[in-house]
Amino acid sequence: SSELTQDPAVSVALGQTVRITCQGASLKNYYASWYQQKPRQAPVLVIYGRNNRPSGIPDRFSGSSSGNTGSLTITGAQAEDEADYYCNSRDSSGNNLVFGGGTKLTVL
Amino acid sequence: QVQLQESGPGLVKPSETLSLTCTVSGDSISSSYWNWIRQPPGKGLEWIGYISDSGSTNYNPSLRGRVTISLDTSKNQFSLKLTSVTAADAAVYYCARAQSTRLNFYFDYWGQGTLVTVSS
Repeated sequence: SSELTQDPAVSVALGQTVRITCQGASLKNYYASWYQQKPRQAPVLVIYGRNNRPSGIPDRFSGSSSGNTGSLTITGAQAEDEADYYCNSRDSSGNNLVFGGGTKLTVL
Repeated sequence: QVQLQESGPGLVKPSETLSLTCTVSGDSISSSYWNWIRQPPGKGLEWIGYISDSGSTNYNPSLRGRVTISLDTSKNQFSLKLTSVTAADAAVYYCARAQSTRLNFYFDYWGQGTLVTVSS
């Protein structure tokens, strides 16, 4: 089992807002980063740090953190946002890296 | 534009050693953290380990003892060796560059991935 816990599946209506969460003790001390993975493709970084987007990532993607939970919010979800989303952070020791189990996002 | 490309055998026999190389272009390997990450078919991502620009390494505790990551700065490449493989090691293997801050460690560039099958 992973030190970071994600809901296995989430759905959102087209154009609505969805929040994907990542829980873990280490998130009290470290930020979560978020990755989007579409079928048969490599993951793509969408959020890192407090709330930073790499170049080319739409501004409908945002990140936040509270206590032991990191969140990825998509405001106005689009059909192309349908994908698996993974969080990652350091583990509780701070020495190793861990991924959440992933959340499959369906856009209805 | 930073690009990473994995290469190596797609088929490894049980008990043998899996060897992969990642070739980096658009960035010097003498900076950042260079990682291997894998994903079994239909499953989630698992961090294998990294080597830093100084050559220090850090491995997933679940794989420690079987994994070695090394750097070849002359070729701008880094490599993965995983010994005594079993069917559980079958996965898509990704190489990725990472950045580290005091509060965050994130993978900003990824290779396309290479599928490794374990079978006799």
